Amino acid sequence: GQNIDQPTEMTATEGAIVQINCTYQTSGFNGLFWYQQHAGEAPTFLSYNVLDGLEEKGRFSSFLSRSKGYSYLLLKELQMKDSASYLCAVSNQAGTALIFGKGTTLSVSS
Amino acid sequence: DAGITQSPRHKVTETGTPVTLRCHQTENHRYMYWYRQDPGHGLRLIHYSYGVKDTDKGEVSDGYSVSRSKTEDFLLTLESATSSQTSVYFCAISESGGVGNQPQHFGDGTRLSIL
Repeated sequence: GQNIDQPTEMTATEGAIVQINCTYQTSGFNGLFWYQQHAGEAPTFLSYNVLDGLEEKGRFSSFLSRSKGYSYLLLKELQMKDSASYLCAVSNQAGTALIFGKGTTLSVSS
Repeated sequence: DAGITQSPRHKVTETGTPVTLRCHQTENHRYMYWYRQDPGHGLRLIHYSYGVKDTDKGEVSDGYSVSRSKTEDFLLTLESATSSQTSVYFCAISESGGVGNQPQHFGDGTRLSIL
């Protein structure tokens, strides 16, 4: 089966860098997704990793280590609007759906 | 933005009544999903569809049924609603399921309260 672990909550200040970790156990790996979800809104896609290494997209980067079952999302130059939940997700065994972690709620203060 | 419409957006109903939520897409994507989201549990998969009349169960499918008679519509039915089904329900669509760099895109959600 699948199991995904993320910290429940994190806090940071404007302008700082924060790293949100995700560890996973899955019987068949087809890639790892990160989503952002603001309170009261739908999740929106941030990044996808299928190979080991770092993928950079502006202020956001995502890292994957398949051998360790580990990923992180790195947010640089934090802004107040980055206050949101960040969801880590991996494919189910059949490769037909995503299984989500419980999410990490990030609070950015000034 | 992906063309996904959920209806209704809000609903309040009583225990024991049937409830149907609708998800409509204009993207012609093969895969459609229903999730529920609750505090402390995150997003949990209820059912999904990989084509017209082709559906499968997710991790929390008890008490729910689905139907997909057309590519663009995916219905979620609570045959006899219970208070434990009070939640926010999200529909999502995808071109390729969980494989490959084809993310799921989500609708705006339906807030369902069962009294």
